[in-house]
Amino acid sequence: EVQVLESGGGLVQPGGSLRLSCAASGFSLSPYDMSWVRQAPGKGLEWVSLIRGNGDATHYADSVKGRFTISRDNSKNTVYLQMNSLRAEDTAMYYCVCSYQLLVPHVWGQGTTVTVSS
Amino acid sequence: DIQMTQSPSSLSASVGDRVTITCRASQGINNFLAWFQQKPGKAPKSLIYATSKLQSGVPSKFSGSASATDFTLTITGLQPEDFATYYCLQYNSPPYTFGRGTKLEIK
Repeated sequence: EVQVLESGGGLVQPGGSLRLSCAASGFSLSPYDMSWVRQAPGKGLEWVSLIRGNGDATHYADSVKGRFTISRDNSKNTVYLQMNSLRAEDTAMYYCVCSYQLLVPHVWGQGTTVTVSS
Repeated sequence: DIQMTQSPSSLSASVGDRVTITCRASQGINNFLAWFQQKPGKAPKSLIYATSKLQSGVPSKFSGSASATDFTLTITGLQPEDFATYYCLQYNSPPYTFGRGTKLEIK
């Protein structure tokens, strides 16, 4: 079964950093675009970042540009989201989503929770 | 950036009903439009991609269509398990953008 599994969430103080990981299971994620999507408590979905399959291109939502960095290590079958200068408004469930065999992000992980609070 | 305007924000319907949800893109997106279903406490589930193509395993009661920059999700024969929140997503060009969601509730 094709799955992705996030980890690395937790409680962090404002201004702090956190690195999320997304590991693929049952397939190699190297050819596929990978996205991060977040959902603040009680709110809708917000696309955060994208890394192309070859890793040559990355994209970010304006709300995280300059603070978050997406990367991938295909040898570890893992994608990362480095989050710096965290703010209270970054508090959310963070989902990793794979564009498995399609252009559309459609294989979702179960999410990892990030809470930014003092 | 492309904006996605989704309507309605909430919708009340009965079991057996047919409902439609619409997303309007602020510019052309080459039919790179997807629909997702989310139930409380769960990750979203992909229903439709490329405007009208059903993901594997999704029943044909779900369908998608488009007219210019207006995209529609139609659900027929509503069942209790269909009551959820639905989101559209444009993935034509980054930054990708979601609609604000439509909460489908039982009347």
